[in-house]
Amino acid sequence: AQSVAQPEDQVNVAEGNPLTVKCTYSVSGNPYLFWYVQYPNRGLQFLLKYITGDNLVKGSYGFEAEFNKSQTSFHLKKPSALVSDSALYFCAVRDGFAYGGSQGNLIFGKGTKLSVKP
Amino acid sequence: EAQVTQNPRYLITVTGKKLTVTCSQNMNHEYMSWYRQDPGLGLRQIYYSMNVEVTDKGDVPEGYKVSRKEKRNFPLILESPSPNQTSLYFCATSLSGTGARYEQYFGPGTRLTVT
Repeated sequence: AQSVAQPEDQVNVAEGNPLTVKCTYSVSGNPYLFWYVQYPNRGLQFLLKYITGDNLVKGSYGFEAEFNKSQTSFHLKKPSALVSDSALYFCAVRDGFAYGGSQGNLIFGKGTKLSVKP
Repeated sequence: EAQVTQNPRYLITVTGKKLTVTCSQNMNHEYMSWYRQDPGLGLRQIYYSMNVEVTDKGDVPEGYKVSRKEKRNFPLILESPSPNQTSLYFCATSLSGTGARYEQYFGPGTRLTVT
């Protein structure tokens, strides 16, 4: 069965410092990995995804994520955090070999609250 | 503008009173899904639909019904709501359910309180 873990409930960063939000996954086939962000009172917004190819994926708002197959991780990063980055971040995974049915659905982590202080 | 709309955005109701939360998309997406979001539990899938007239249970389907009579709409029905269904509900769509590479687009959410 596929699963995803976000080991930190909250990450605190000072504005201007680099940030990392951690995500590890488990799938039986090749992973398709996604990051979403949720601002207060809003729906989830897609940030970036890894399907295949380059292990470093660039996404919206200056975010990037690094896929590491040996460590089964897909950590979200940003070189310089902004106060406006404060939000709830979700990692999600889908098994790339599971077409259709519930096995083809996205599985979400529990979310990590990012707090960026001025 | 491509969007997913949900109505109502906020709803307070009483136990046992049937309700429907609507979801509509204008992107011609095949795949639609309902999630509920609860603190500490993340997003859990309730039901999903791979295409018109094709629906299936997600991880937490008990107490919910759905229908997909047309491509753009995917209403969530609570026949007899109970307090444990108090939650934040999201509708999401994707170009294709069989294409694992496609990201999902989320509606703005419906906050439901059942007293």
